[in-house]
This record gives sequence, C-alpha cells and structure tokens, in this order.
Amino acid sequence: AQKITQTQPGMFVQEKEAVTLDCTYDTSDQSYGLFWYKQPSSGEMIFLIYQGSYDEQNATEGRYSLNFQKARKSANLVISASQLGDSAMYFCAMSWNTGGFKTIFGAGTRLFVKA
Amino acid sequence: GAVVSQHPSWVICKSGTSVKIECRSLDFQATTMFWYRQFPKQSLMLMATSNEGSKATYEQGVEKDKFLINHASLTLSTLTVTSAHPEDSSFYICSAREVTSGHNEQFFGPGTRLTVL
Repeated sequence: AQKITQTQPGMFVQEKEAVTLDCTYDTSDQSYGLFWYKQPSSGEMIFLIYQGSYDEQNATEGRYSLNFQKARKSANLVISASQLGDSAMYFCAMSWNTGGFKTIFGAGTRLFVKA
Repeated sequence: GAVVSQHPSWVICKSGTSVKIECRSLDFQATTMFWYRQFPKQSLMLMATSNEGSKATYEQGVEKDKFLINHASLTLSTLTVTSAHPEDSSFYICSAREVTSGHNEQFFGPGTRLTVL
C-alpha cells in the first residue's frame, strides 16, 4: 500500500540557519512523484518542489532542495537560510498513476523559525 | 503554474442545510479534479476523484450521497455537502490536472472553510 510518513510533528530553527524536514514513503510503483507543499495559516497549499522517481539528480528550487534517496525511500526537504516567513505547516506528498492518478499526503511538520 | 479557484472562500450554514462549493480551473482544461478535506491540525485526506463527464470515484469511508460531486465541464467541478452537520465543518480543498499531465502538474485551489452551526 502507498504510504507517506512524516515523523516530526514540529521543528524549531533559528533564522538564517538550515533545517531538514523528514519524509519517507512506501510504494510498489516504479513511477511516482514526490512533492513538498507549504501551508501557511491562510490554508492555501503552496507548491515548493517536485522530484520524479526517475530523476537522478536531487531537485532544487531556490532555497529549497529535496534530498532524494531512492533506496531508502526518503525524500527530505532542506530549507537553507531560514526566514521568519518560512514558519508554516509543511506537507510531503506522493503521486502515482496506476489505476488512476492519486496523491496522498503525510501528516505534516509544523516549522517554527525563531528570530 | 495554472490557476485554480474555489468559491466561496468560507461559508457558515445552519445544520441540515446543503452547501455547494465550486472549483474552477481558470486557464486550463481540468479533465480530472480532486476533492480533499482537512480537519484542524490534520493532513489532507482525499475524498473523491472526478473525471469530466463521468461519475466521481469516492474513497473508502466517504459517503457519496452526502458529498455530491459534479464535474460537468472541463473547467468546473462542484462539491455539495447535503444536510450538513457540525461534524462536516472542515477545510475543503480541490485540485485539478489535465489527464495527459505529468506527476508535477496538479494545481490546488485556495480552499473553502465550512462551518456548520
């Protein structure tokens, strides 16, 4: 069965430092996508970064990078140079297209950036 | 990325009434739309998948007679919460994609906060 696990309910990071948010997944599909979304208090889901299962290089988008370790089935998000505006809920997600496209989300990690 | 809108942004209704939430893709044809529900401090849970012109596919445990989904056009899907009760109060989020899209081309609406009194 497909599964996404985020084991960190909350994380604190000092402003300007880097932080890693953990995500592991389980799937029997060979083709899948991994995502990270940011959800501020407004509720909107903000897309941050995407990694395809066949992508050999780790995805990067500005201050965000995805540490993709396929053999370990992990897709950790690294935020460099944290900013106060990064304080939000972060969700890891996985999509696949066997029997119909579907996306599932992890439980989320709340990030607090300290000044 | 493409834009998906939802209307209304928030709604308060009395118990027993029905509420309709609209999800629109503004600049692309959404052959598939998804409806999620998010309770406070919890993750997004997929409720159903709707393909344009066909019946929605509901996830296990989601009452299809209570959550009516219509996807009559390539740019509009609606979710109607029938005979709403306080336990239906939640944040409802839709997403949309084109059937030929890659994994990374799913776009989310801003969500609708429903409060049932």
